[in-house]
Amino acid sequence: GQQLNQSPQSMFIQEGEDVSMNCTSSSIFNTWLWYKQDPGEGPVLLIALYKAGELTSNGRLTAQFGITRKDSFLNISASIPSDVGIYFCAGLLTGTASKLTFGTGTRLQVTL
Amino acid sequence: DGGITQSPKYLFRKEGQNVTLSCEQNLNHDAMYWYRQDPGQGLRLIYYSQIVNDFQKGDIAEGYSVSREKKESFPLTVTSAQKNPTAFYLCASSILNSNQPQHFGDGTRLSIL
Repeated sequence: GQQLNQSPQSMFIQEGEDVSMNCTSSSIFNTWLWYKQDPGEGPVLLIALYKAGELTSNGRLTAQFGITRKDSFLNISASIPSDVGIYFCAGLLTGTASKLTFGTGTRLQVTL
Repeated sequence: DGGITQSPKYLFRKEGQNVTLSCEQNLNHDAMYWYRQDPGQGLRLIYYSQIVNDFQKGDIAEGYSVSREKKESFPLTVTSAQKNPTAFYLCASSILNSNQPQHFGDGTRLSIL
């Protein structure tokens, strides 16, 4: 099955820095989702995007649904140690039994 | 609290043994899903179910089986035919045929003895 191209694969940043990651697809979606996974736990939903061009914030997180419907990005501002984890993007196309197509993940590590 | 409960958290399998992973949800969701996650990789779909007594294969169904006898429950059996079962298994559920996100359980880590 298809997996979305997510970059970067991993990043080390210092506390207080801003972070940006993105996700691209060869096919369109009508919903983009961003999840965070802590070690040994299930993914937790961070942001859901439902409309092309939509820009949505959740605290220090901001995500955008690309205008072509084939990409999305996630920004984290002023990173803190608890931002450590793996971030996954996922695309959904209505009418496909609500199946998600996942990105390969971005592993974020924050140093003090 | 509404949510998805997976059990056990850790499971060990002997050679030639079948093991069953439990997934229960009280979110009243019609659709349920099983994923496999290998270290450093994304999630791959094993099986999914849209309604009671019906389920479909995902991308990596070989060596696995499921049942959906009740709306709340979607157990996954890892059979002896699955030669590389060591992985983290995640269960999810969602409202069917909508653009609403899937919600995940906390996973079961399966290892070989």
